[in-house]
Amino acid sequence: GAVVSQHPSWVICKSGTSVKIECRSLDFQATTMFWYRQFPKQSLMLMATSNEGSKATYEQGVEKDKFLINHASLTLSTLTVTSAHPEDSSFYICSAQGAGTFNQPQHFGDGTRLSIL
Amino acid sequence: AQTVTQSQPEMSVQEAETVTLSCTYDTSESDYYLFWYKQPPSRQMILVIRQEAYKQQNATENRFSVNFQKAAKSFSLKISDSQLGDAAMYFCAYTYTGTASKLTFGTGTRLQVTL
Repeated sequence: GAVVSQHPSWVICKSGTSVKIECRSLDFQATTMFWYRQFPKQSLMLMATSNEGSKATYEQGVEKDKFLINHASLTLSTLTVTSAHPEDSSFYICSAQGAGTFNQPQHFGDGTRLSIL
Repeated sequence: AQTVTQSQPEMSVQEAETVTLSCTYDTSESDYYLFWYKQPPSRQMILVIRQEAYKQQNATENRFSVNFQKAAKSFSLKISDSQLGDAAMYFCAYTYTGTASKLTFGTGTRLQVTL
């Protein structure tokens, strides 16, 4: 149980395009989803927290207009990198947490490798 | 602000042996959770073990156990009978009730398992 699917797993696109990454909880309802960014050989840095039906809460230094997050249902959250540039190239990972259960661990997706040319 | 420190960038262990990964954290909170996550080359984050701060008993999951020293703010992971599949990056992480489950990760320890 507690499977989180992230799609696509790898995307390469030209500078200036927008890229959408999907994060789905397959067998549970996730009221809270988290988006992380991981640079090579570094740790995960939280970008934002999204709660179903409300606006995402962004961490300090993360541009909300650059990284658009939508959490329209209890099983789906999306991250859109708008007008992507080479410096946005990174590994993006989502995680999901079950409804009403703070003490439940986060379940992670497999991540998306984004390469901007 | 809470911080998590992993002072061992890399560790190596022989197959079937035991290895301990270190983690320290800094917090002024009394009610929090600590985790160890494993990230193999596939990059998926896998929960290894979890510890509630209010529990004095150290958590154990099969070959994985922790040594939780609350006063010292130390949370080490012991892997017994190491297997080749244990080779991965290991991240220590912290969260407390006031942050809506936001995880703060350490910088990670790369574990190599040799024959």
